[in-house]
Amino acid sequence: GAGVSQSPRYKVAKRGQDVALRCDPISGHVSLFWYQQALGQGPEFLTYFQNEAQLDKSGLPSDRFFAERPEGSVSTLKIQRTQQEDSAVYLCASSLAGGYLGEQYFGPGTRLTVT
Amino acid sequence: KQEVTQIPAALSVPEGENLVLNCSFTDSAIYNLQWFRQDPGKGLTSLLLIQSSQREQTSGRLNASLDKSSGRSTLYIAASQPGDSATYLCAAPRGEYGNKLVFGAGTILRVKS
Repeated sequence: GAGVSQSPRYKVAKRGQDVALRCDPISGHVSLFWYQQALGQGPEFLTYFQNEAQLDKSGLPSDRFFAERPEGSVSTLKIQRTQQEDSAVYLCASSLAGGYLGEQYFGPGTRLTVT
Repeated sequence: KQEVTQIPAALSVPEGENLVLNCSFTDSAIYNLQWFRQDPGKGLTSLLLIQSSQREQTSGRLNASLDKSSGRSTLYIAASQPGDSATYLCAAPRGEYGNKLVFGAGTILRVKS
């Protein structure tokens, strides 16, 4: 079956541009997560959805970051007025169950480079 | 606050050797702990999930143990192969919903043929 997919796989943006990153979770998965991974580091949590509800956005680094999952399936992470420090790999994960019960399955990530 | 540390940061071994990767965490009130593998330029592949009620989990040549009282987990890889070369990450959940995975920085493993 299909795993978690993300698009685009690579994105180059000029500083100040807005970008939108897409995540297609595994069909039927209730929970969806976004993480940011800097080079040589482990991923860091950004935000969490249970169905269409964004239950935790405590990891979003600034108000330039916005995520949505309007129909409880596909999610979009939007970054406005990109800065160089936003350069990272953005990983999406989904899990069948909510919260700690669910094993998280990750997509391949979107590598964002801000020039 | 949960902090996860992995030792060593990098490891190079000859093919066929058995090896142990270490993961420690500061908050022992965890529901589970998950081990992942990450290949260069790729996402994370889940290897093993150990529930807090379990002491270990096995999958093929991989065995992961969990000791909540000491705040430690180990990933044992038997008879290592060049295809095992990757970064190995451990992660523990936290947060009101247990939803946030807190990751270690990973151990970069290289298995030489």
